[in-house]
Amino acid sequence: SYELTQPPSVSVSPGQTASITCSGDKLGDKYAFWYQQKPGQSPVVVIYQDTKRPSGIPERFSGSNSGNTATLTISGAQAMDEADYFCQAWDSSIGVFGTGTKVTVL
Amino acid sequence: QVQLVQSGAEVKKPGASVKVSCKASGYTFTRYHMHWVRQAPGQGLEWMGIINPSGGSTTYGQKFQGRVTMTRDTSTTTVYMELSSLRSEDTAVYYCARDQRDSGDIYFDYWGQGTLVTVSS
Repeated sequence: SYELTQPPSVSVSPGQTASITCSGDKLGDKYAFWYQQKPGQSPVVVIYQDTKRPSGIPERFSGSNSGNTATLTISGAQAMDEADYFCQAWDSSIGVFGTGTKVTVL
Repeated sequence: QVQLVQSGAEVKKPGASVKVSCKASGYTFTRYHMHWVRQAPGQGLEWMGIINPSGGSTTYGQKFQGRVTMTRDTSTTTVYMELSSLRSEDTAVYYCARDQRDSGDIYFDYWGQGTLVTVSS
């Protein structure tokens, strides 16, 4: 079965840039999606189709996807960005989520 | 506004079944597929399957084949997820999530609040 691997944790200082990677076989041939989940809340999509931001998502969130790796970048991280982030892709019409990354802003 | 409101928490014994509901409002129910995703305590997200509320067709994740049934009631704009032969590893928060198909690919644009299912003897 298809697997997506993320680093368990990423730390970033306020105002700095955080990059979260998501690795999967030929992931660049698929679309990558990113979800943010804060404690006790339902996930929220922050990036879809590799690079697109839904309305209401701040411009500091951006995405890229090439080769075997998709990347979510938070430019100028804020305390409110502290959350778990999950990448997601579709493999033969089956949804696959990444292992998740806890982003700490400190 | 789009709302997905799920049923309340459940406690079940091993071997039992659970049926979780997700009532949709604020949009045309039959125009958007619905997915179910679960999250074990402290763990990641796991996709379970999808239902087309228009015709009722379903696709299930291989892990859940034979144990999960997704149905819908168009008169009440509600989708259901029933999981049978429960075991302790099924203890999780279960979410419904609406399907948004932008340019042919799918993401989840609205989520229910989640339903905690606890399996314990």
